[in-house]
Amino acid sequence: AQTVTQSQPEMSVQEAETVTLSCTYDTSESDYYLFWYKQPPSRQMILVIRQEAYKQQNATENRFSVNFQKAAKSFSLKISDSQLGDAAMYFCAYRFYNAGNMLTFGGGTRLMVKP
Amino acid sequence: DVKVTQSSRYLVKRTGEKVFLECVQDMDHENMFWYRQDPGLGLRLIYFSYDVKMKEKGDIPEGYSVSREKKERFSLILESASTNQTSMYLCASSSHLRVSGNTIYFGEGSWLTVV
Repeated sequence: AQTVTQSQPEMSVQEAETVTLSCTYDTSESDYYLFWYKQPPSRQMILVIRQEAYKQQNATENRFSVNFQKAAKSFSLKISDSQLGDAAMYFCAYRFYNAGNMLTFGGGTRLMVKP
Repeated sequence: DVKVTQSSRYLVKRTGEKVFLECVQDMDHENMFWYRQDPGLGLRLIYFSYDVKMKEKGDIPEGYSVSREKKERFSLILESASTNQTSMYLCASSSHLRVSGNTIYFGEGSWLTVV
């Protein structure tokens, strides 16, 4: 079975600074997707960024980027120029290509942004 | 925009009551999911459905059942609610098509308290 581990239950960052959230996963598959989801206090889960395992290039979405290390099974999220609106729960998730879109989630990291 | 609507945001039910959580999506998605979210455990898949009248057990199906009579609607049923089912329940949907990583869209969540 696949597992996803987020080792940091809480993180804090100063506004305008950079923060990195860690995620490791365990799988024997070679074709899969990895995701970071954001869940603000309103509770609506929002997709932040997505990475296909077959792509060597790290995904980037504006201030959000990932460091995907396939051999190490590591998928960290870097948030640059942190903003107050970035404060939320962040979930790392894994999906095997043929898994019918089922996601396996990590336990989440609560990010606090200090003004 | 894709919309996944959960009919109840907050519910309080008594132990032993039958509980229905309703979810509707407006994007003609084939796949629908019910997740349970608990602190430190992330999201865990209860059931999913890949077509009308089709359902598959997820990681924690015990104590739950589901119904998918129409493509847009996926209901989660607690036949006899228990206090350990107090949680946040999230509905989600996605397309079958392998486009853009088959993004999964979430509803806003339903807080269920069983007393």
